[in-house]
Amino acid sequence: RKEVEQDPGPFNVPEGATVAFNCTYSNSASQSFFWYRQDCRKEPKLLMSVYSSGNEDGRFTAQLNRASQYISLLIRDSKLSDSATYLCVVRTGNQFYFGTGTSLTVIP
Amino acid sequence: GAVVSQHPSWVICKSGTSVKIECRSLDFQATTMFWYRQFPKQSLMLMATSNEGSKATYEQGVEKDKFLINHASLTLSTLTVTSAHPEDSSFYICSAERQGPLYGYTFGSGTRLTVV
Repeated sequence: RKEVEQDPGPFNVPEGATVAFNCTYSNSASQSFFWYRQDCRKEPKLLMSVYSSGNEDGRFTAQLNRASQYISLLIRDSKLSDSATYLCVVRTGNQFYFGTGTSLTVIP
Repeated sequence: GAVVSQHPSWVICKSGTSVKIECRSLDFQATTMFWYRQFPKQSLMLMATSNEGSKATYEQGVEKDKFLINHASLTLSTLTVTSAHPEDSSFYICSAERQGPLYGYTFGSGTRLTVV
């Protein structure tokens, strides 16, 4: 079983829509969780860390469910500039594990 | 914030030659750096963990004699792809972990390698 599993999409949504991505992880001992954004042919950039209490940054909300071992990312009021691939990343010990990424295209 | 510089950003080389990629942490010291490879439409795959002053730790299936890693200082790690072949063509990305109050995990800008 993969350490991190993520729906690759693609998700094609209209501008202004709300879209949610989920990501599951297999190791209950994983201690840190992140969402990264990767634009085509560019390096991943940290979008936000994910905490058990949930955290929000503007239109982005991240949640962690340890019991079910998944993390989620919610994007409200989607903008064209949100089009990218979103990677969930899980840290277990000293190792970082990446999901395959979810492709999002926001359509005018 | 934490900045990681990776050079070159793209390179085209002939089959059989070697290519060196540099990864530098510009404003912090990184005892550990990571090297990833990403094929089109796929996720990042960890190749190796580079430790300052010691040998790198390679992931299963990654040939250490082909992908030479040197981490001679706290701010520089290099990956050398030796005797490159077309199947080595990929996007190589390094990352470094910053400890302390400004904890973070930052990626370099990546190197697109094309072997012809």
